Order: sequence, then C-alpha cells, then structure tokens
Amino acid sequence: GDSVTQMEGPVTLSEEAFLTINCTYTATGYPSLFWYVQYPGEGLQLLLKATKADDKGSNKGFEATYRKETTSFHLEKGSVQVSDSAVYFCALRGGGSARQLTFGSGTQLTVLP
Amino acid sequence: GAVVSQHPSWVICKSGTSVKIECRSLDFQATTMFWYRQFPKQSLMLMATSNEGSKATYEQGVEKDKFLINHASLTLSTLTVTSAHPEDSSFYICSARLGARETQYFGPGTRLLVL
Repeated sequence: GDSVTQMEGPVTLSEEAFLTINCTYTATGYPSLFWYVQYPGEGLQLLLKATKADDKGSNKGFEATYRKETTSFHLEKGSVQVSDSAVYFCALRGGGSARQLTFGSGTQLTVLP
Repeated sequence: GAVVSQHPSWVICKSGTSVKIECRSLDFQATTMFWYRQFPKQSLMLMATSNEGSKATYEQGVEKDKFLINHASLTLSTLTVTSAHPEDSSFYICSARLGARETQYFGPGTRLLVL
C-alpha cells in the first residue's frame, strides 16, 4: 500500500537558517503530494502541493519539488522564522477509489530567535 | 482557502458518557468527510470516511459502534464517541473535500478528555 516516510525530528534551527525536511514515498500510479503544517493546538493547514512529476509547490517561502525518479518531495525554506515553529506533515493522495490522504509521521520544527 | 469548523474545540466528560463532535464545511459542500484521531506527538490516524447520505467506511480496528459517524448533509458530519473511556482521550480532527480530486481541508480539531 501507499506509505510516506518522513525525516524524524525534532529539528531545532536558529532564525534565518536553511531548512530541509526530507520526505519519500511509496505509491502505485501517480499520486499527488502535499505538505501540511500544524501549529500548536490546531488542526492541519495545507502548506503546498504538487500534482505531477517535476511540479514545484511553493507558499510562504517554503517549496518542494515532486521528484518521481527519487520518489521524494523534500520541503525547503531558505530562511526560517520563529513563527515557522510547528509540526510539518508530508502526505500523498493515491489513486484508490476513496483517494484518501496517507500521512508521514510528522516532523517537529523549533526555530530559536 | 476553504473553512472547516469543529465544535466543541475541547470537551471534558465523565467515563461512560457520550460525546458528540460536529464538523462543518462553512463555504463549500463537502461530498466526503474524514475523521482522524491524533495522539500526542504522533501522526494522524484515519478513523473513517463518510459520504453524504451513506454509511461511513471505517478503517480496520476502529469500532463502528463506539465511534458513530453521521453525514446527514453536505455541510455537516458528526462523530459521537459512545460510552467514552479514558483511553478515548485524544485529539479528533475532521476533514472535508468537495470531490475526489479536490483539496482536503482540515478542521481545527477537538480535544477530548475523559475522566
């Protein structure tokens, strides 16, 4: 079945540091890929998505490129801020009849001033 | 983006009582709604998928008689935790989407504590 493997956390960075959170997936067919962010005590918010190979999703300075050859969708940001502190989830939506989301385990990011 | 609301945002109840959580899509009609459970510092576990007007499809290991799901309209789904026990304490998150190819939007979650 479909699965998502995400870089284990927690990740602690200083403000303005470069961020990479690795995400690889296993799926049949051509899944859509997503990054969601969860701030403390809240639900998930869609951060960015990509629906086909070589697509780049971007939002709020974050970006991720759908790499079919390496089955990866790594999240990057050039300069993180304290307000980026949250849990980040990589997810895929496969081609099954229900087209459900499959989530990675989440990566806790803490950005220190 | 689209807005999904949940009510209540948190609830404390005694063991043995039932708790109902509402999930509403505020500015779109959700043909499909999902209910997830999240334990501290863990990922989301899909509990069930419901389509408007039909019975929910439960994931393996989720007791359908304990977690009653009703999706009576295109904007409302409810999750009722029946005869709640302390081990049911968790963060419950609903999600809604318009169609199979549409983005899934998440509610803010409901924190349940069963004493």
